[in-house]
Amino acid sequence: ETGVTQSPTHLIKTRGQQVTLRCSSQSGHNTVSWYQQALGQGPQFIFQYYREEENGRGNFPPRFSGLQFPNYSSELNVNALELDDSALYLCASSLRLQETQYFGPGTRLLVL
Amino acid sequence: GENVEQHPSTLSVQEGDSAVIKCTYSDSASNYFPWYKQELGKRPQLIIDIRSNVGEKKDQRIAVTLNKTAKHFSLHITETQPEDSAVYFCAATNTGNQFYFGTGTSLTVIP
Repeated sequence: ETGVTQSPTHLIKTRGQQVTLRCSSQSGHNTVSWYQQALGQGPQFIFQYYREEENGRGNFPPRFSGLQFPNYSSELNVNALELDDSALYLCASSLRLQETQYFGPGTRLLVL
Repeated sequence: GENVEQHPSTLSVQEGDSAVIKCTYSDSASNYFPWYKQELGKRPQLIIDIRSNVGEKKDQRIAVTLNKTAKHFSLHITETQPEDSAVYFCAATNTGNQFYFGTGTSLTVIP
């Protein structure tokens, strides 16, 4: 059984650019959640996907969008990057809704 | 929405002593409370969790207690070891999708 994986591990972008982050869920997991973790803070919920549909969204603007594919892998897209978007982006998968979430290693995004 | 507060923000203990981290939550409908350990530069790892129909859960040196009336839950680590040094996060959810995390406790175990 493989764990949650994310790519890329690190990314540097400039303000105004767009970025796509990827997540492969743990084998058999149909639910993926995305979090933003600023330095020294706890993860903040961005949104969750369940069976390819968005299933809840946190307090993030519409320029944060996502997708889930039939194999349950997922993408996080961020448009019009701002300096404050610099953070560690974590995805977490769970076997189904209301089950334990297992985190990937994260993508560290730096916006200059 | 839910608000999770976590204390203390930093904690130093001597090796072999116990460590206790406390979290409070605001939404009485929250029913699942996981604890994660995050080492520097690594992913959060689930260490223990508890559901609202249980008051206490133990796994070797780690235990979690839940007081639904007071809306707080605590992580207890006994016989601490240097490898327990990390940042610990509590979380709460009532829907299973949006997990609300505390701000973290940086635990240092002094050999």
